[in-house]
Amino acid sequence: DARVTQTPRHKVTEMGQEVTMRCQPILGHNTVFWYRQTMMQGLELLAYFRNRAPLDDSGMPKDRFSAEMPDATLATLKIQPSEPRDSAVYFCASASGSGANVLTFGAGSRLTVL
Amino acid sequence: GESVGLHLPTLSVQEGDNSIINCAYSNSASDYFIWYKQESGKGPQFIIDIRSNMDKRQGQRVTVLLNKTVKHLSLQIAATQPGDSAVYFCAENRGYSTLTFGKGTMLLVSP
Repeated sequence: DARVTQTPRHKVTEMGQEVTMRCQPILGHNTVFWYRQTMMQGLELLAYFRNRAPLDDSGMPKDRFSAEMPDATLATLKIQPSEPRDSAVYFCASASGSGANVLTFGAGSRLTVL
Repeated sequence: GESVGLHLPTLSVQEGDNSIINCAYSNSASDYFIWYKQESGKGPQFIIDIRSNMDKRQGQRVTVLLNKTVKHLSLQIAATQPGDSAVYFCAENRGYSTLTFGKGTMLLVSP
């Protein structure tokens, strides 16, 4: 059963620390998304890639967030320095090019910044 | 308007009843409308989508209805089961290959 794998599942850190979240998309999926979910804002798109190229990161705070795809099997989302307002669940999702409505989400990385 | 968390709209039904979850959208230019289900502690999961030139689409135990006149989308679940308890999100695909999600509705199914 193909799935999107995210690590870590849970992360508690102190303000100012660097946080890196990783995602392994489904093999063969060429589009990768990063979403953030909070109680107040719901699911927000942070960035997405197609064929490893960043297409849109307008939803991401540029000064502290960065997203990359070093290779087709790994996507990373980094926050440096982290702030308490970054506390949220971060989801990675992948899709094949022809099925943009059908995103397969990972289980999420719950981040708590103290 | 809707909000999540303590103010997340909630629909409570009995097992075996039919459930109807509603969603209002704002963008008439959306190409597709999609429903996702999110169980506690998991990521959202695709349920069904409907193209903007259709008004009804059926899946297994689910039906999506689209009323473009009033910009309204609904998800009907037949014979609701406890396993259907989750938060349901509607989403729009505005043609740029990214989805914009609504705030969600919690469905609670009691035995």
